[in-house]
Amino acid sequence: EVQLVESGGGLVRPGESLRLSCAASGFTFSSYAMNWVRQSPGKGLEWVASITATSSHIYYADSVRGRFTISRANAESSLDLQMSSLRVEDTAVYYCVRRDSKVIMSSDKASHHWYFDLWGRGTLVTVSS
Amino acid sequence: DIQLTQSPSFLSASVGDRVTITCRASQGISTYLAWYQQRPGKAPQLLIFAASTLQGGVPSRFSGSGSGTEFTLTISSLQPEDFAVYYCQQVDSYPLTFGGGTKVEIK
Repeated sequence: EVQLVESGGGLVRPGESLRLSCAASGFTFSSYAMNWVRQSPGKGLEWVASITATSSHIYYADSVRGRFTISRANAESSLDLQMSSLRVEDTAVYYCVRRDSKVIMSSDKASHHWYFDLWGRGTLVTVSS
Repeated sequence: DIQLTQSPSFLSASVGDRVTITCRASQGISTYLAWYQQRPGKAPQLLIFAASTLQGGVPSRFSGSGSGTEFTLTISSLQPEDFAVYYCQQVDSYPLTFGGGTKVEIK
């Protein structure tokens, strides 16, 4: 079965650290860029971080840059998010998300389109004193 | 950063209604836009990418259109399972951003 399963969430105090993991199965993990997206309780979606298939390019939201580190182990089909200096506003469900792409032809021009096509169920991180 | 503004943020509709949700980008993003549906307690699911391309397995009552700064998601005949929150997302440039969401509720 094609799936992503997150783990590692829990309750931590402000300033503490936590490591989230995502186990991928049912597809060739090493062929896809991966992402973390979070959702605070009752709120919308916020993109957190992206990593390309070979880890050659990594991107972060301004809200987490310098505190969070995304990494992957293709041999183990796993994605991690190391979170440090956690804040109350980091409280959210964290989703592991696969990014796929397709070339679309339009007006004789080919363009690469990305999309988030596979989402895990999420893991809840609560930061509270 | 590219801001996405969805409207309305909430709409009440009946089964069988035609529903349109708008997503406006703060700058031109060509057709680098995707739409997602999120049912209560569930992870988001991809509906449409490249502004108008239907993801496999998504019912044909969903359609998307637009380019540049204005986009729409249309549900031609609302079904009970369509009551959910809908988000647009721009994938033109980092940081990737989502719209604030549109909650579709039963009238």
